[in-house]
Amino acid sequence: DGGITQSPKYLFRKEGQNVTLSCEQNLNHDAMYWYRQDPGQGLRLIYYSQIVNDFQKGDIAEGYSVSREKKESFPLTVTSAQKNPTAFYLCASNPGQGGFQFFGPGTRLTVL
Amino acid sequence: QKEVEQDPGPLSVPEGAIVSLNCTYSNSAFQYFMWYRQYSRKGPELLMYTYSSGNKEDGRFTAQVDKSSKYISLFIRDSQPSDSATYLCAMRPNDYKLSFGAGTTVTVRA
Repeated sequence: DGGITQSPKYLFRKEGQNVTLSCEQNLNHDAMYWYRQDPGQGLRLIYYSQIVNDFQKGDIAEGYSVSREKKESFPLTVTSAQKNPTAFYLCASNPGQGGFQFFGPGTRLTVL
Repeated sequence: QKEVEQDPGPLSVPEGAIVSLNCTYSNSAFQYFMWYRQYSRKGPELLMYTYSSGNKEDGRFTAQVDKSSKYISLFIRDSQPSDSATYLCAMRPNDYKLSFGAGTTVTVRA
């Protein structure tokens, strides 16, 4: 089955810890994205990557970091600098300009 | 002012009713318009998309885009309890970056 997988589904973090969220796709899509979803605020773009070894900041990149070493993988690290990290994180991919974004199942991060 | 405004809801309708969902936007460069459906604790799934102005129908779903008014709509006919979800409008110019509405939660009562 082709698709986007995210792991883990639920993640708990203590304050001051960095955590990394996994996103893998086997759709052979060029572009990948990370969004954050909070109640009543819709989806906000954190980072995106249009090609391997290249990525750009989205609207709310502070406190987050990413890498894109392989086409199929786009991990997101939530650092201790992110002041309010509790949220639902969604990864998406897109085959290229003119295509449409497809989403993974999401990771719910809770800071204890 | 947000780039995309979506009626916040929530909406609760009886089974069989027509559901009407709306978004307005401010960026005249938007060319592609999408509706995503998101079930609780799941990722959004693409429901319908439209390029530029016009109507598109797919089964019980109809998407409308009026670029002159910067207004898009989604209609669900003969609504079913399985249609209960949050619906997100999304739109973009001729590049990658999507702008999303905040979502409208719909409950269809059996």
